[in-house]
Amino acid sequence: EAGVTQFPSHSVIEKGQTVTLRCDPISGHDNLYWYRRVMGKEIKFLLHFVKESKQDESGMPNNRFLAERTGGTYSTLKVQPAELEDSGVYFCASSQVSSAIGTQYFGPGTRLLVL
Amino acid sequence: GDSVTQMEGPVTLSEEAFLTINCTYTATGYPSLFWYVQYPGEGLQLLLKATKADDKGSNKGFEATYRKETTSFHLEKGSVQVSDSAVYFCALSEGGSYIPTFGRGTSLIVHP
Repeated sequence: EAGVTQFPSHSVIEKGQTVTLRCDPISGHDNLYWYRRVMGKEIKFLLHFVKESKQDESGMPNNRFLAERTGGTYSTLKVQPAELEDSGVYFCASSQVSSAIGTQYFGPGTRLLVL
Repeated sequence: GDSVTQMEGPVTLSEEAFLTINCTYTATGYPSLFWYVQYPGEGLQLLLKATKADDKGSNKGFEATYRKETTSFHLEKGSVQVSDSAVYFCALSEGGSYIPTFGRGTSLIVHP
């Protein structure tokens, strides 16, 4: 069974540009989560989808971030325009049912560097 | 609010050395506690967990005991291997919430 995949693995962009990150959850997992680890700090929750609906987006830092999950399969996270403080590792996770983190499966992350 | 504090890394050890990575937490209720590991190029993987005081989680030779009196969940392994080199994250969640609180992570480097 394929795990959670994320694309790209790395992205280097300039301040002001736009970047789109993609996450493909495990097939059949209705729940999809985005997290972010900024500059070696804590991993922070960003948002949670159930199928195509946003269940909780309380962790989204500001309106420069837009997450979508059209069709309830893969998800994208767009940052527009990117700022220096957006640099970090963006993780995606999925689970079959809404659950505590112990049963979420994480992807390898996308490393974003904004110059 | 809830918080998790981990010891600063990197932790550098020789193979077969004893490992301890300290983790303490602050929570309003009675959280579940977790250790996650991220091997190079891979996603976070659940290593072990404990859901109530005095529970011991164990997996792959790693152990951690939920100590309510000291609000700690230290990770230990008696004899580390090169393959244990990774970043280790301590985390908690309260009441079954899917919104976890993570520590900053501790990088472990094991030399042959």
